[in-house]
Amino acid sequence: DAKTTQPPSMDCAEGRAANLPCNHSTISGNEYVYWYRQIHSQGPQYIIHGLKNNETNEMASLIITEDRKSSTLILPHATLRDTAVYYCIVYAGGTSYGKLTFGQGTILTVHP
Amino acid sequence: EADIYQTPRYLVIGTGKKITLECSQTMGHDKMYWYQQDPGMELHLIHYSYGVNSTEKGDLSSESTVSRIRTEHFPLTLESARPSHTSQYLCASSPPNVQGPNEKLFFGSGTQLSVL
Repeated sequence: DAKTTQPPSMDCAEGRAANLPCNHSTISGNEYVYWYRQIHSQGPQYIIHGLKNNETNEMASLIITEDRKSSTLILPHATLRDTAVYYCIVYAGGTSYGKLTFGQGTILTVHP
Repeated sequence: EADIYQTPRYLVIGTGKKITLECSQTMGHDKMYWYQQDPGMELHLIHYSYGVNSTEKGDLSSESTVSRIRTEHFPLTLESARPSHTSQYLCASSPPNVQGPNEKLFFGSGTQLSVL
């Protein structure tokens, strides 16, 4: 599976949009982009995933560039409870299904 | 939300003790996983199972063992705990008939193990 690069930390004001970038320049055609987050001392939580089209759900939006080499997770109205480590993962499934590789992620701090 | 439970939440134990970390899920998921995570560090897959009587070692070598006698239960055992085993252990599962890119993992809250 392709590697990802994320900034180690970001800050965001409560109520503002949080835009978390991820680079995955070696992504291959069958790999999806997944986002998970991990609130302190808890297990990771699935947020969203996509292949090449932009995706939106009740938690967030995912914007994937046309060349698929980078993506942005958008939390439209960040709250203090969104403070967490956010992981960007590229994953194709197949024989490695379920074996996601979690890197160090981005520590998002939402402040009042 | 899947219901996946890990017990105990915290465990402090002496060197040489045998311990079992419990993981159960009530959603009928066939695939289950154990990850290990040190503070501020990456998650590492140490064991996984694709169903009853199926167990495989993950990407990170671990002295622990697992069993999968029932679909809902995936315990992890350390025969003789050592301080180097101090870490957080996270259990996860994913639903049946969903493979590949649309698969989502559901995690438990983890067990924080401290071996003195």
